[in-house]
Amino acid sequence: EVQLVQSGAEVKKPGATVKISCKLSGSTFTDYYIHWIQQAPGKGLEWMGLLDPEDGETIYADKFQARLSLAADTSTDTAFMELSSLTSEVDAAVYYCAADPKGDSNYFRHWGQGTVVAVSS
Amino acid sequence: QILVTQEPSFSVSPGGTVTLTCGLSSGSVSSSFHPSWYQQTPGQAPRTLIHSTRIRSSGVPDRFSGSILGNKAALIITGAQTEDESDYYCVLYMGTAVAFGGGTKLTVL
Repeated sequence: EVQLVQSGAEVKKPGATVKISCKLSGSTFTDYYIHWIQQAPGKGLEWMGLLDPEDGETIYADKFQARLSLAADTSTDTAFMELSSLTSEVDAAVYYCAADPKGDSNYFRHWGQGTVVAVSS
Repeated sequence: QILVTQEPSFSVSPGGTVTLTCGLSSGSVSSSFHPSWYQQTPGQAPRTLIHSTRIRSSGVPDRFSGSILGNKAALIITGAQTEDESDYYCVLYMGTAVAFGGGTKLTVL
């Protein structure tokens, strides 16, 4: 069974940086693209970007381009999402990672459980 | 910027059929956008229902189906159950970007 397990909830001060991990088990890490998705309280899902763990290539949504950094450690099958210059209005949210199998079909096959990020002074 | 559009809300009676759609603010949706559908209940991670326009994910009941209807992708629920009351999101792959629709809140009553 493929699982994506994310790191725990975070509380950050405005202006800080948050780093969330997402560990894949039960399959080959480099067979997937890893996407990150934001969901603000009471709002819909928003795509942030994706990472190819095999070569480190990234694609970022325009909204997050300046503040988002995605990376992976293939020795531990773990992806990381780092978001900087946090503000409570924009960045307090649940963040999900999702695994998209490489190949002809493009979709989020597996989901992490989500990580809550609170931003408060 | 092209937006992905969904009905904000929909209501269906138990046992009824409902069609949720996923369109573009400009242009038509086709299978080349790899439409996929996700179900989310409050406090839970999304669940994958449909990918590649019409392929059901493992374990998804066959009352859920996907297609292209006119210029939109569609999620059809045939014989809706009370447990289908959820938020539904479509996703489109547009070149190097991926976009979610705004979601449809489905009420079953």
